[in-house]
Amino acid sequence: QQQVKQSPQSLIVQKGGISIINCAYENTAFDYFPWYQQFPGKGPALLIAIRPDVSEKKEGRFTISFNKSAKQFSLHIMDSQPGDSATYFCAASHGGSARQLTFGSGTQLTVLP
Amino acid sequence: DAGVIQSPRHEVTEMGQEVTLRCKPISGHDYLFWYRQTMMRGLELLIYFNNNVPIDDSGMPEDRFSAKMPNASFSTLKIQPSEPRDSAVYFCASRWTGSDNEQFFGPGTRLTVL
Repeated sequence: QQQVKQSPQSLIVQKGGISIINCAYENTAFDYFPWYQQFPGKGPALLIAIRPDVSEKKEGRFTISFNKSAKQFSLHIMDSQPGDSATYFCAASHGGSARQLTFGSGTQLTVLP
Repeated sequence: DAGVIQSPRHEVTEMGQEVTLRCKPISGHDYLFWYRQTMMRGLELLIYFNNNVPIDDSGMPEDRFSAKMPNASFSTLKIQPSEPRDSAVYFCASRWTGSDNEQFFGPGTRLTVL
C-alpha cells in the first residue's frame, strides 16, 4: 500500500513535443505529491509538487494533473527541450513532520533535438 | 549555502572491507535521510534522523549497515563488511520542518564493491 507506481520506464520525445509521465498510488493517506528531476551524476531535485486539494498545478512548462478519485497524478512537460532530458521521479508522502517520501521507479526522458 | 555535501563522490573497495560514507546536511535542517539508488530497486529510504536522533531504520537492509549522526552537521553511513550487492549510489538528503516538505539531496556517493 506504500507503493507508488510510475510509467513509462523510458520516454523519447521530439523537441517541442509534450512529455507525459504517469503515477498511481494506493495509500489514501498520502497528501503531498512531488516530482523530482535527476540529471546524470547529480542528486534528485524538487521540480514541482501538488496537494490533493487542487486538480492541477502549473509552473512554467511543467504541469501536474491530479485525479484524487482515481488515485493518479501525472507530469506534463510542454514544449519539451533537450535540456529536459533527465530521469523524473514521482513521489508521495503523508502525515507527521518527517514527511518520508515514497518514490516511483523513475522515467528516463530523452528529448531529441 | 553550499547545499548537502557528501564524500567521497566515488568509492571502490573490495568485498569484506569497511566502507564509510559521509554527509553534511544544510545548516539549520533538522531532518536527515539516507537513500540507496539502484537500477533494480530505484530510490530506497534506508534511515532518517530528526535532530540527530535515528527515528526509522526499517529500510536498512541488514546488520552490516549502520548510521550515526553525532551532531547536527555530520552523519555517516557505514557498511561492514561490504559485499558486491551493496554497489549502488548512496544519497543523503536534508530538510527543515518548517519548509514545504522539500528534501534537498546531495550529489551522492557511487560505491562499487568488487
